[in-house]
Amino acid sequence: AQKVTQAQTEISVVEKEDVTLDCVYETRDTTYYLFWYKQPPSGELVFLIRRNSFDEQNEISGRYSWNFQKSTSSFNFTITASQVVDSAVYFCALSEAGTDKLIFGTGTRLQVFP
Amino acid sequence: DVKVTQSSRYLVKRTGEKVFLECVQDMDHENMFWYRQDPGLGLRLIYFSYDVKMKEKGDIPEGYSVSREKKERFSLILESASTNQTSMYLCASNRRGQITDTQYFGPGTRLTVL
Repeated sequence: AQKVTQAQTEISVVEKEDVTLDCVYETRDTTYYLFWYKQPPSGELVFLIRRNSFDEQNEISGRYSWNFQKSTSSFNFTITASQVVDSAVYFCALSEAGTDKLIFGTGTRLQVFP
Repeated sequence: DVKVTQSSRYLVKRTGEKVFLECVQDMDHENMFWYRQDPGLGLRLIYFSYDVKMKEKGDIPEGYSVSREKKERFSLILESASTNQTSMYLCASNRRGQITDTQYFGPGTRLTVL
């Protein structure tokens, strides 16, 4: 069965600190997709990244980076030099090839204090 | 830009009322989804529609029904609202295909059932 675990319920940091949000997934498929979404206080989920299971290259986008490791079934998200605007709930999600549905983790609430 | 809109941001209803939540997307997406979001539980799929008049149960369909008469509109119906249906409801849409497309989300409807 598919499952996504985000063990960190809430993280608090001070501005400019680096922070890593963990995501561990379970799937029996060899082809699957992993996603990260951000949900700011306004409520709307915003897409951040999608990776497929054949691409283990780490990705960097500005202050955001993602570390995909199939050996540990993890897809962790790091924010470098965090800012107050990064305060949000972050969701990791998994989808198997051939389905259009996502399985979401329970989310990690990040609070960045000035 | 993809736009998914939901009819209300906040809704207060009484136990036993029939409740309609409406969702409209403007990107000609085949798939539409209804989720509910509760603290500590993440997003859980209620129903999924992959075409007009087609629907599939998600993980928690009990107490809900859906309607998709037009491609751009997907309605969630609570036939007889109960207090345990107080929650945030999120609608999403994406393209159908072998590669799981990003889901685009609406702003959410926070429903309170008294």
